[in-house]
Parts: sequence; C-alpha cells; structure tokens
Amino acid sequence: AQSVTQLGSHVSVSEGALVLLRCNYSSSVPPYLFWYVQYPNQGLQLLLKYTSAATLVKGINGFEAEFKKSETSFHLTKPSAHMSDAAEYFCAVSAPNSGNTPLVFGKGTRLSVIA
Amino acid sequence: GAVVSQHPSWVICKSGTSVKIECRSLDFQATTMFWYRQFPKQSLMLMATSNEGSKATYEQGVEKDKFLINHASLTLSTLTVTSAHPEDSSFYICSARDPVLRVGDTQYFGPGTRLTVL
Repeated sequence: AQSVTQLGSHVSVSEGALVLLRCNYSSSVPPYLFWYVQYPNQGLQLLLKYTSAATLVKGINGFEAEFKKSETSFHLTKPSAHMSDAAEYFCAVSAPNSGNTPLVFGKGTRLSVIA
Repeated sequence: GAVVSQHPSWVICKSGTSVKIECRSLDFQATTMFWYRQFPKQSLMLMATSNEGSKATYEQGVEKDKFLINHASLTLSTLTVTSAHPEDSSFYICSARDPVLRVGDTQYFGPGTRLTVL
C-alpha cells in the first residue's frame, strides 16, 4: 500500500522568498513520485517526477524536488517565489510499472504568495 | 507531453437530469482512464478506473448506477451523472496514462469539468 502526507494545508511566502512544500511518502516498493500544480478551475499540470534516476529532479517553472529515501521525503522547492506560483500543489506516489493503478495523492498544499 | 481533453468544461443543469462528461486522449491511445472528483479546497478523490472494452472498476462508496462510465474506444471515456442532484455538484477530472510512451508512468490530466446542479 502507498500513501502520501503533505505537511501544511496552506503555505504563505513573500514574493522572492524560498518556497518549500513538504511531502512524505509511504511505499512498500521503490516509488515513483510526482508533484502536480493546479490553478483555480483547471486540471492538474505535472511539475516534475522522480522515477529512480537522479535524486534531485528539476521541473518546470524553476521548481525542483529531492528524493531522500532515508527520510521518505520528496519536498518541493523553488528559490524565489513569484506571484504566478500561487496555486494548489499535490504530491503523488505510484509503484513503478503500475499499469492500471492510479496515482495516490496527498491532500494538497495551497501556496499563497504575498507581494 | 500527452494531451487529455474534457468536454464540457462547465455545465449547469436542473436537478433530476442526466449529464454526460467526455474525456479524450488526443495524441495517444489510453486503455485505461481514471475519473476523479474534487470538492472545493480538497484533494482528488478517485471515483473509478475506466477500462476500454470492459466494465469500469468503482471505488468503495461510489454508486456505479449513479455514475455510469463507458470506455467505448481507446481515446474516449464518458462519465454520465444520472438523475443529478445538488450534492453531485463538483469538479470532475479525468486522467490517462500513455501505455506506449510510459514516461515514468506519468498520468496526464484533463482540464476538468465543473458541474453545478440547481
């Protein structure tokens, strides 16, 4: 069984400040991990994914995440927040080659960026 | 990346009517699609897994007679909300994996359909 825990349902940062969104996972097998972003009234857009290659993964819009097996974490970071980063962020996990198995999502973290 | 579309993007209907939502994979064939429901400020709740040419697999607590799923082709899955009621008002999102491209088992999501039942 797999699960994802996102710490903090709401994170607020100042424009230009570091963004850190936390995600911890539980998986009985080496996982694939994903971060998605959702803007209001829109679907989910893939930010980045970890698929057992490099542990530091770079995504779109300046985001990156580091897979830490020892901490079972996959936190999302961005050095400098922009107003356009304000959105809902979801961490998700799946088992490799899981075929028809859907992703398991965390509850989401709403990021607010203050001017 | 792969593209998934949904139609309509929003719909308002009267209580008791049925509403059909389409999910299409535009540049790949999807043997499996997933339907999610999302309430305001909440995460996605998986409703069912749609399998081309066979019956959908519903999650516990989801009424299969209420939410009819048809996956008649490799590029189209439909979700029909039958006899809709105000409590069915929600944001419905579909997703699909490209079985050929795989790309780390990435799921591609549609833009969602906002259903409002009056």
